[in-house]
Amino acid sequence: AAGVIQSPRHLIKEKRETATLKCYPIPRHDTVYWYQQGPGQDPQFLISFYEKMQSDKGSIPDRFSAQQFSDYHSELNMSSLELGDSALYFCASSLMGISGNTIYFGEGSWLTVV
Amino acid sequence: QQQVKQSPQSLIVQKGGIPIINCAYENTAFDYFPWYQQFPGKGPALLIAIRPDVSEKKEGRFTISFNKSAKQFSLHIMDSQPGDSATYFCAASINAGGTSYGKLTFGQGTILTVHP
Repeated sequence: AAGVIQSPRHLIKEKRETATLKCYPIPRHDTVYWYQQGPGQDPQFLISFYEKMQSDKGSIPDRFSAQQFSDYHSELNMSSLELGDSALYFCASSLMGISGNTIYFGEGSWLTVV
Repeated sequence: QQQVKQSPQSLIVQKGGIPIINCAYENTAFDYFPWYQQFPGKGPALLIAIRPDVSEKKEGRFTISFNKSAKQFSLHIMDSQPGDSATYFCAASINAGGTSYGKLTFGQGTILTVHP
């Protein structure tokens, strides 16, 4: 079965640079969630989108922005990168109203800021 | 402030043992409690989930026990196997309609090691 696809899987950037992560949800899923997991930490909710509109917002820094496109894929844009942004970024998807509230996580994108 | 507190931080059991991982939550508005399993370098995968209207739910070797009055819930893994060695996260969310159920608050995680 198709899963959530994230790209790139690994990314190395320097401080103050910009990074963009992409997420392709499971086909027919209409909702995308972004999470950040620091080393040895639990995942922290950043932001979510339903039908291309922002639906919930968590602890997402102002330097970060995200959107969901007409094909339901989503991109997380991170600017003015800081060392503390180094983390594993997960995208998850779900189909609202179906699948018993299950959200499915991708394998994550490793961002290292040097 | 950690809204969902998980313990223990790590756990070692022998094959066939029954590891138990506990979580406590603060926010009484939480009404969806999933458990996730995460292997190194992989995304969290849903194991089992429960709502506060039931006290126990079992799926295969995994059982959730839920105590609403104590605001606690736990995961039991029956007949544990070395392949169960992973990090386990409890989580909670508020099903306030729309996509809010996916706005999960995670516990700190438990690293489980099952020895052969």
